Amino acid sequence: DAKTTQPTSMDCAEGRAANLPCNHSTISGNEYVYWYRQIHSQGPQYIIHGLKNNETNEMASLIITEDRKSSTLILPHATLRDTAVYYCIVSPGNTGGFKTIFGAGTRLFVKA
Amino acid sequence: GAVVSQHPSWVICKSGTSVKIECRSLDFQATTMFWYRQFPKQSLMLMATSNEGSKATYEQGVEKDKFLINHASLTLSTLTVTSAHPEDSSFYICSASLPGGNTEAFFGQGTRLTVV
Repeated sequence: DAKTTQPTSMDCAEGRAANLPCNHSTISGNEYVYWYRQIHSQGPQYIIHGLKNNETNEMASLIITEDRKSSTLILPHATLRDTAVYYCIVSPGNTGGFKTIFGAGTRLFVKA
Repeated sequence: GAVVSQHPSWVICKSGTSVKIECRSLDFQATTMFWYRQFPKQSLMLMATSNEGSKATYEQGVEKDKFLINHASLTLSTLTVTSAHPEDSSFYICSASLPGGNTEAFFGQGTRLTVV
């Protein structure tokens, strides 16, 4: 069973920041927060992950609350190509043998 | 980043025939790979864990005799859908991770199977 709760869908205007929330109140101390996205008819794509510190890469920023019970993925300047389903997943940090279990995700619509 | 490739990207087969889908890790070795199935407008559902050199581990409710998995090398896992029926039509996706901890999963581009 997925251990996260995400809104079903969100809209965002092109060029604006998209903030996607995720609740993971039962996260364990050794579990990371991972974000993936899936563009229609493609395999999922890794975005970012973190344990307890905020993280940033070329795609996005990940803000994790101090109690680690929730997080927010931020796409700083959303484009039409960012329209996708975004999945927030908690996992013990893949060592090659850990399963990635998907919940329903958030369907993000970026509008012109 | 690491690359996982699936073949074919799409396939159409007749009911009762078998179809093989390949999943390759192109630039790394993967002792474990995972197979997922995704129906329209639904999330990915984990089907099985493919283990190099040993039997696959299937999730509850997935028929191991229908979905045959072979992980014969460190870079190749195959999923064979045997005696396919129209209800097996779906999007099949594989994934693998680099060895070591704190790594992400890399996914293939998916295989669209249509059984007619």
